Amino acid sequence: ETGVTQTPRHLVMGMTNKKSLKCEQHLGHNAMYWYKQSAKKPLELMFVYSLEERVENNSVPSRFSPECPNSSHLFLHLHTLQPEDSALYLCASSQATGTSSYNSPLHFGNGTRLTVT
Amino acid sequence: AQKITQTQPGMFVQEKEAVTLDCTYDTSDPSYGLFWYKQPSSGEMIFLIYQGSYDQQNATEGRYSLNFQKARKSANLVISASQLGDSAMYFCAMREFSYSGAGSYQLTFGKGTKLSVIP
Repeated sequence: ETGVTQTPRHLVMGMTNKKSLKCEQHLGHNAMYWYKQSAKKPLELMFVYSLEERVENNSVPSRFSPECPNSSHLFLHLHTLQPEDSALYLCASSQATGTSSYNSPLHFGNGTRLTVT
Repeated sequence: AQKITQTQPGMFVQEKEAVTLDCTYDTSDPSYGLFWYKQPSSGEMIFLIYQGSYDQQNATEGRYSLNFQKARKSANLVISASQLGDSAMYFCAMREFSYSGAGSYQLTFGKGTKLSVIP
């Protein structure tokens, strides 16, 4: 069983819908991330939370809204998406404090495959 | 400019043979770390191996080893004794340590190499 769990695994939504992606980590980490993976492009960092505070937003459109209520949970709220937003959305966590934080790998979930129609 | 370059979109290897997946990187930061991940068709990104810029030895983890050539800024992944289960996408990623805030945590990824192991 993966230490990072994402739900749902697949999501199909219309451009006018509102939906949320959920991520939960059981690794005791204190940083969580949203990445977007599109075909033939590198993974793109969307949001980073450290100690439940958002510390980076890579110019992501406002139709994506993250929420991190505690160090174990991360949400991505979606509204009025565009077809080009169809992609695999990956959640990850890592240990972002302490002497081992530099070599701390990101641990990823299985992702949510999003299709916007 | 791309920070991580993986020049091989696809690779084939015979089962039980060794294979090298290429990765070059671009940074002016003297302190950085390099990571390799495997992504099977299920979608999960699986961490394989880590190499720090100041590590004297090449990293090894089981059948995975990293051919780290710092002057050439390359960090190639070597998989020995390939198995059918090694068929997947492989991503090279870098963390630059001089950033403050979240930049010090994030990983920058390459486009990946699709490895197919032939029986």
